[in-house]
Amino acid sequence: QKEVEQNSGPLSVPEGAIASLNCTYSDRGSQSFFWYRQYSGKSPELIMFIYSNGDKEDGRFTAQLNKASQYVSLLIRDSQPSDSATYLCARGSGGSNYKLTFGKGTLLTVNP
Amino acid sequence: DAGITQSPRHKVTETGTPVTLRCHQTENHRYMYWYRQDPGHGLRLIHYSYGVKDTDKGEVSDGYSVSRSKTEDFLLTLESATSSQTSVYFCAISDQGDSNQPQHFGDGTRLSIL
Repeated sequence: QKEVEQNSGPLSVPEGAIASLNCTYSDRGSQSFFWYRQYSGKSPELIMFIYSNGDKEDGRFTAQLNKASQYVSLLIRDSQPSDSATYLCARGSGGSNYKLTFGKGTLLTVNP
Repeated sequence: DAGITQSPRHKVTETGTPVTLRCHQTENHRYMYWYRQDPGHGLRLIHYSYGVKDTDKGEVSDGYSVSRSKTEDFLLTLESATSSQTSVYFCAISDQGDSNQPQHFGDGTRLSIL
């Protein structure tokens, strides 16, 4: 079983709608979670990170973490065509040799 | 933007030849990583470094070696390139300190092995 699972999509939403991206993980010891955005042909760009249960908001982005259910989600409010990209979820392994495990990503398309 | 430079940005080479990719950072970060990204597989860790001359294997390390002789440089070497190593390679860095530090990525190297 892949450690970090994401729906590959594509997820298609109209401009102005809320886009909801989900990620589940299998390691209950995971401490930190990250969302990256990757435009086609570009490198991953960090947009959010969350360590504690609950919601964390940053502008139009909200990350949600539920450690009991082992899922983390990213909500994008007022979606714009410029949000069209692949969104990668990653979890941190913690400890002294810090590594991230990535999901395969969800392709989001925002239609004008 | 994090000061990470990958070189070369694009390379085409033949099977059996040695290839070295370079990652240079100006952030003085302790941790450096090499990933490859392939369709259907996502980002996979090849090797990482937690200090000068301190390196360890990731999940797809076969056929690759790394070296880190200075804090700012992390080299990835394909001793004898194979077509299965055609991929996009990303370098990433993160700061030392607590284990929740995010990673920041370079612009990538697109490598084609013919």
